[in-house]
Amino acid sequence: GAGVSQSPRYKVAKRGQDVALRCDPISGHVSLFWYQQALGQGPEFLTYFQNEAQLDKSGLPSDRFFAERPEGSVSTLKIQRTQQEDSAVYLCASSFMGRDTGELFFGEGSRLTVL
Amino acid sequence: RKEVEQDPGPFNVPEGATVAFNCTYSNSASQSFFWYRQDCRKEPKLLMSVYSSGNEDGRFTAQLNRASQYISLLIRDSKLSDSATYLCVLQADSNYQLIWGAGTKLIIKP
Repeated sequence: GAGVSQSPRYKVAKRGQDVALRCDPISGHVSLFWYQQALGQGPEFLTYFQNEAQLDKSGLPSDRFFAERPEGSVSTLKIQRTQQEDSAVYLCASSFMGRDTGELFFGEGSRLTVL
Repeated sequence: RKEVEQDPGPFNVPEGATVAFNCTYSNSASQSFFWYRQDCRKEPKLLMSVYSSGNEDGRFTAQLNRASQYISLLIRDSKLSDSATYLCVLQADSNYQLIWGAGTKLIIKP
C-alpha cells in the first residue's frame, strides 16, 4: 500500500518479555519518527531517524527501548523486559523532508498491552 | 506547565452548530502550528496548518494569536463526521520535533 504500515497491530506481552514493533514508511520518505501514545494523551516523541541515522533518541524512556533503521527504510522499535507501564500505542510516522514540515504520515499504530 | 495545553472536553455539540476551541502554548519560539485530527483508535491525520494571518479550509478556520500565545480552530455547520479528537501541534523553527497537545474531544450529536 501507499501508506505507513505497522505490525503487529496488537501485541499482548507478559511482563519481562521482549517485543519488536515494525514500521514500513512511505517509500522515499527521509524522516521517520516513533511516538508513544497513552490513552487520552497526545503522542509523545520517542526517537527520530533521518535515513538510517538516528539523530535523536532523547524521548526513549529507558535503556530497555531501542530503535533501528539499518537501511534507511523499515524501522524496528524493540522493547526489552517489558513492564506494565510500557502499555500504550506505538505510532510510527514518516515525512519526505527532514525539517520544517508539520505533515507527518502516521501508521495505524501497534497497540501493546503488557500483562 | 505543559508546553501545549488544550481543554480535553468533550465538547458535545448539535449537528449544524458552530464550535470553537483553543490551544495555548508556552514556548514563544514556536514557529509552526498545526491542527491534527484523530478518530477513535485511529492514527492522527493533518487537518490544517495554521498561518499567521489565519486561514480557512471549507468549514474550518484556524487562527493564530502570537501575542497571547494561542491558536484556535473553528468549525462551522458541524457534521456528525466531525466527531473526533483535535490535536494542537507546534514546531519550533530550529527543531524538527513536533510538540503535541493532549487533544480536545468533539462529539457532534444528531
